[in-house]
Amino acid sequence: DAGVIQSPRHEVTEMGQEVTLRCKPISGHDYLFWYRQTMMRGLELLIYFNNNVPIDDSGMPEDRFSAKMPNASFSTLKIQPSEPRDSAVYFCASTKNKPTQYFGPGTRLTVL
Amino acid sequence: GNSVTQMEGPVTLSEEAFLTINCTYTATGYPSLFWYVQYPGEGLQLLLKATKADDKGSNKGFEATYRKETTSFHLEKGSVQVSDSAVYFCALSLNTNAGKSTFGDGTTLTVKP
Repeated sequence: DAGVIQSPRHEVTEMGQEVTLRCKPISGHDYLFWYRQTMMRGLELLIYFNNNVPIDDSGMPEDRFSAKMPNASFSTLKIQPSEPRDSAVYFCASTKNKPTQYFGPGTRLTVL
Repeated sequence: GNSVTQMEGPVTLSEEAFLTINCTYTATGYPSLFWYVQYPGEGLQLLLKATKADDKGSNKGFEATYRKETTSFHLEKGSVQVSDSAVYFCALSLNTNAGKSTFGDGTTLTVKP
């Protein structure tokens, strides 16, 4: 079975540009999570969905960040406009109503 | 609230040394406990888990025992290998919120030949 798929794997952009990160969860999973990982802050939960509905977005740092899940097999995390401090590795994870989460390989974002 | 506190790293060991990474937790309910491992350039993956007190999770030579009396879930391995070099995360999840987990800050382990 395919695991969680994220794209792109690497993204380099300039400050002020819009960035869209994509995630395809494991088929049949009903929870989807977006995390950000940096050296300074470690692993932070940004937002999570259950059955395509956002449940908790309290970790979204500010209004520049938005996330959507239009269907059970696709989610996006958008940053507009991007800033250098957004540089991080962004992970998507999914699970089927179970505590164990399955992580994607991550997207390494660099904002110049 | 819920929280996980891990032993601060980085940890550097020689091959075949004994490993312990401490993890303690605070939870409002009765959690399941996990250790995840992150190899360089990859996402986190489940290493082992335990769902109730006194359970022992084990995988790839790693072990951790759920100690309710000390609210701990320390990770151990008797003889580490260079390939064990990674970041290790302790985590908890409450059964009342089966999807969401609380993660520790991670401990970086480097094993030298």
